[in-house]
Amino acid sequence: GAGVSQSPSNKVTEKGKDVELRCDPISGHTALYWYRQSLGQGLEFLIYFQGNSAPDKSGLPSDRFSAERTGGSVSTLTIQRTQQEDSAVYLCASTRRGAAQGDTQYFGPGTRLTVL
Amino acid sequence: DAKTTQPPSMDCAEGRAANLPCNHSTISGNEYVYWYRQIHSQGPQYIIHGLKNNETNEMASLIITEDRKSSTLILPHATLRDTAVYYCIVRASNDYKLSFGAGTTVTVRA
Repeated sequence: GAGVSQSPSNKVTEKGKDVELRCDPISGHTALYWYRQSLGQGLEFLIYFQGNSAPDKSGLPSDRFSAERTGGSVSTLTIQRTQQEDSAVYLCASTRRGAAQGDTQYFGPGTRLTVL
Repeated sequence: DAKTTQPPSMDCAEGRAANLPCNHSTISGNEYVYWYRQIHSQGPQYIIHGLKNNETNEMASLIITEDRKSSTLILPHATLRDTAVYYCIVRASNDYKLSFGAGTTVTVRA
């Protein structure tokens, strides 16, 4: 079946502009995760959604970052007033059940964000 | 806080088995060993995971030592498309904030 999809695949923006990144999880997966991966920085957890529960936003680096998950499926990560240090690959993953179940996370292809 | 240690790089001949080692000497009893790989400019791809027993799937085999302090990922017949960075991680079942170390850059050569 279809995997996790993300759009756009690449995004170039100017410093100070807002961007929206989209994630479509695997059909039927109830949990969704956002990460970012910077060159030399490894994988950094951002936020976790599970059903109707309050999301775990503990990884969001600043209040310029926010995310929504509508209808328990598609998620949008919004970065306001982008800065050059926001440049990274933003990855989305999903699991069939909630995080406490320990299911394997399956990743999407990522969105490469470049802030000029 | 590196829970795993992997060699930074290794080369492998196409068609041969690739054996990727990982040390996790401080692994806890409730932690699984997971392997992901990341081909250039793509998202991480799940390969395999295990707790105590050896595991095999269509992609690879995972051999975990009896003391669980190390493991080996085996790609039975490496192809050029297996060239990637391979990440070994340990995680408890409820630990959902994944993090990768530097991994092993595997280059498969014709």
